[in-house]
Amino acid sequence: EPEVTQTPSHQVTQMGQEVILRCVPISNHLYFYWYRQILGQKVEFLVSFYNNEISEKSEIFDDQFSVERPDGSNFTLKIRSTKLEDSAMYFCASSYMSGEQYFGPGTRLTVT
Amino acid sequence: DQQVKQNSPSLSVQEGRISILNCDYTNSMFDYFLWYKKYPAEGPTFLISISSIKDKNEDGRFTVFLNKSAKHLSLHIVPSQPGDSAVYFCAADNAGNMLTFGGGTRLMVKP
Repeated sequence: EPEVTQTPSHQVTQMGQEVILRCVPISNHLYFYWYRQILGQKVEFLVSFYNNEISEKSEIFDDQFSVERPDGSNFTLKIRSTKLEDSAMYFCASSYMSGEQYFGPGTRLTVT
Repeated sequence: DQQVKQNSPSLSVQEGRISILNCDYTNSMFDYFLWYKKYPAEGPTFLISISSIKDKNEDGRFTVFLNKSAKHLSLHIVPSQPGDSAVYFCAADNAGNMLTFGGGTRLMVKP
C-alpha cells in the first residue's frame, strides 16, 4: 500500500540554524501539506501546496518557513532560522483531491 | 482556538464492547469531518470520514455519526479490540484543505 515517507525521523539543530525536512508524498496525489504537533498540544496546520504553489497557510507559517517541490517526488519544508519554539513533530500529508489526507510518520525536530 | 474539541482525554472499554468517541465543533463552515488513529511515534492514520450532507457513514467496525444541528460527531467502534488502543483525533475541513484537529482521546481496550 502506498504511503507517505519522511526523512529524517529525528533532527537535532542549534537555534538559528536552517533545517530542511523532506517528504515523499503518495505518487498520484496532487495536494501536499505540512502540519506540526508541539509536545502535549494539538496537531496544527501549517501549509497546503497545490499545482506548485501555496494554496493555504496558517499564521504559524511566517517568513521563516518555506516549502518547495523541487522535483516530481519530493516535498520539503525549510525553516530558515530555527527557534526553540520550533521544536515539534512535523508531519507531511498528501491527498489526491480534497478530503482524506494521508500522513507520514513525522520528523521530530529538536532545537537546542 | 477551540474550533474542534474532544472533551474526553481518555476512555477505557472492555474488549468486545462498544467504544464511543465524541467530538464537538463550533465553526459552521466545516463541511467534512475525519477521524484519525495515532500510535506513539507514528503519524495519524486515516480511519473514516463523513461529509456534512450525510449523518452517518459506516466502514466495517467503524461508524461515524454527524449531528449538524448540535455540531457534534461521534465515532463508534463495535466490537472493540485490544489493537484499537490508540489516540483518536477528530478533524474538520472547511473546503480549504486545511484540517483543524481536536485534542485527541486516548482509547484503552482491555482484554
